[in-house]
Amino acid sequence: DIVMTQSPDSLAVSLGERATINCKSSQSVLYSSNDKNYLTWYQQKPGQPPKLLIYWASTRESGVPDRFSGSGSGTDFTLTISSLQAEDVAVYYCQQYYSTPYTFGQGTKLEIK
Amino acid sequence: EVHLVESGGGLVKPGGSLRLSCAGSGFTFSNAWMSWVRQAPGKGLEWVGRIKSIRDGGTTDYAAPVKGRFSISRDDSRNTLFLQMDSLKSDDTAVFYCAAALGGMSGAFDHWGQGSLVTVSS
Repeated sequence: DIVMTQSPDSLAVSLGERATINCKSSQSVLYSSNDKNYLTWYQQKPGQPPKLLIYWASTRESGVPDRFSGSGSGTDFTLTISSLQAEDVAVYYCQQYYSTPYTFGQGTKLEIK
Repeated sequence: EVHLVESGGGLVKPGGSLRLSCAGSGFTFSNAWMSWVRQAPGKGLEWVGRIKSIRDGGTTDYAAPVKGRFSISRDDSRNTLFLQMDSLKSDDTAVFYCAAALGGMSGAFDHWGQGSLVTVSS
């Protein structure tokens, strides 16, 4: 199974500042035949299901604000929120869909400093 | 608009069984590969398993902790996904979500239900 490890576990950032969350996979999730990274990011607020933010590691889902961006390839990935807003307080998860069992990172709790 | 609505959750004793349903609407259910994802109280997300569309073979895959105890099926005539859970353990206590990747992104789930709580306790 591919193990996904996020860092940090929690993060406190001031409003308007940049937030960066890292995700590392135990093996590459880059599929060479199509040059796509099978890596996604979700945002989950209390009492709600997860919401898809980013897929193919860097493609923003429709309707997601452009302050959210994804980067990385192979085994190392980053979710960046360029200017933190109050509504961004949530837990963020990465997930690989390169192979089953699909696996998630443990989550990163993002709070306001 | 796409909707996924889970039902069937509740309280069950250890060793018991429960069947969850997920009704889909607003999309061509028969073409969708559907998954179940669970979240234990205060914990992270865990993929439970998946069923492919019938045209893609209708096969299933499961996470190791549930393999042999849980079974996923679908009734495309009713646009409904099922999760049969047997030999339930206290560790299975969780909110169970059905999820679908409808945008062609394979296992990146762009649609989720609101979840159904399963509590395994004596």
